[in-house]
Formats: sequence, structure tokens, C-alpha cells
Amino acid sequence: GENVEQHPSTLSVQEGDSAVIKCTYSDSASNYFPWYKQELGKRPQLIIDIRSNVGEKKDQRIAVTLNKTAKHFSLHITETQPEDSAVYFCAATYSGGGADGLTFGKGTHLIIQP
Amino acid sequence: DAGITQSPRHKVTETGTPVTLRCHQTENHRYMYWYRQDPGHGLRLIHYSYGVKDTDKGEVSDGYSVSRSKTEDFLLTLESATSSQTSVYFCAISVGQGLAYEQYFGPGTRLTVT
Repeated sequence: GENVEQHPSTLSVQEGDSAVIKCTYSDSASNYFPWYKQELGKRPQLIIDIRSNVGEKKDQRIAVTLNKTAKHFSLHITETQPEDSAVYFCAATYSGGGADGLTFGKGTHLIIQP
Repeated sequence: DAGITQSPRHKVTETGTPVTLRCHQTENHRYMYWYRQDPGHGLRLIHYSYGVKDTDKGEVSDGYSVSRSKTEDFLLTLESATSSQTSVYFCAISVGQGLAYEQYFGPGTRLTVT
């Protein structure tokens, strides 16, 4: 089955700086890579995703890149703000029609220092 | 919130007792999932469903069973709860069409087995 590794487990950055979280996956059949943000006591919220037919996707201050050859994908947050503090999870799956569950990384605790 | 509710939101039960958690969705989505979240493990797939009476096992299905007799309800049962099943349980649905689906999570159920 799929295995997703996520690094780092904790990331502390100064407000206004950029943050990068990296994930690798093992199954070359995976073609859908979402990122979730989870605040303490809340549900995971989908913030951005990328499919294997593109290499990069951007939405305001967040972007995701995908390297299928190397089997890794990354989340980039620019101009970080206090409200970006949360745990971020990457995930991977083969999306061939909606059924397959997601395999998650173990999460990155992002801390924005004022 | 993608029209997903979970009940109960919190439960404390004793070892050896049966427990059923309910996930309810209001939008007739075909695919539903149960995940558990534990510190250091991220989210792990327990079972999923691709239609009424159609279910399959995920990564950590031992000790759990599921049922889906109606499109809107997906039930997770712990036949005989153990302390290792103390966790936060999230239900999710897949939303989309064709090859483009996204997963959205319910608010979660915190289960404590004493």
C-alpha cells in the first residue's frame, strides 16, 4: 500500500517569512495529493490540492509543487501570519473515481513566531 | 462543513462494551469514510463505503465493523471496545465527479475507553 512521509514534524518561522513542508510517497499510481490544515480541536480542512497532470498550483499565499519522478510534493506558505499556526497534513491516493481513502503523513506543527 | 454531522461528539465507555458512532450527511454523496486520529500517527483509514451496503476495509480495520443501510448514514461499530481504541474518529465524504474528487471531514468524535 501507499506510504507517505512528512517533514519536518515541527517548523517554527518568523511572521512574514516563508514556510515549506515536504512529503514523499511510495506508490507511483497515486495521482491526487491534498493538503489539510487542522487547528487545535477542529476538523482537518482542505486548503489546496494537486493532481498528477500538473506540477504546481497556487492559491494566494499558498502553493503546492509536485515532482512525480522523485515522488515528492511540497507545500509553500509565503508571508506567514499568526493565523497560519496549525498542524498541516499531506496525503496521497489514487483518485480513479472517488472511492479510495487517503493515506496521510504524520503532520507538521507550524508555529508562527511574532 | 459539507453537510456532515457526527454523533456523539464525545463518549466515555468501558473496556469490553460495544460502541456505535454515527456519521450523517445531507447531500447524498456516494463515498464515505471513517478515519481515526492519534498523536504521532496522523489520520488512518479504518473503513470506507462506495454505496449502500458496499463497504471495504482500510489500513486499521481490526476491531471495527461498519454498516451503510442508507446513503446518508455510515455507522462505525466497536464490537468490544479496548483502550487502544481511545482516539478521535473522523468521518469524511468525497465530493466531485469524474476523476476529480475532494474529501471533506466531519467535526469528529472523541472516544475514551477506560
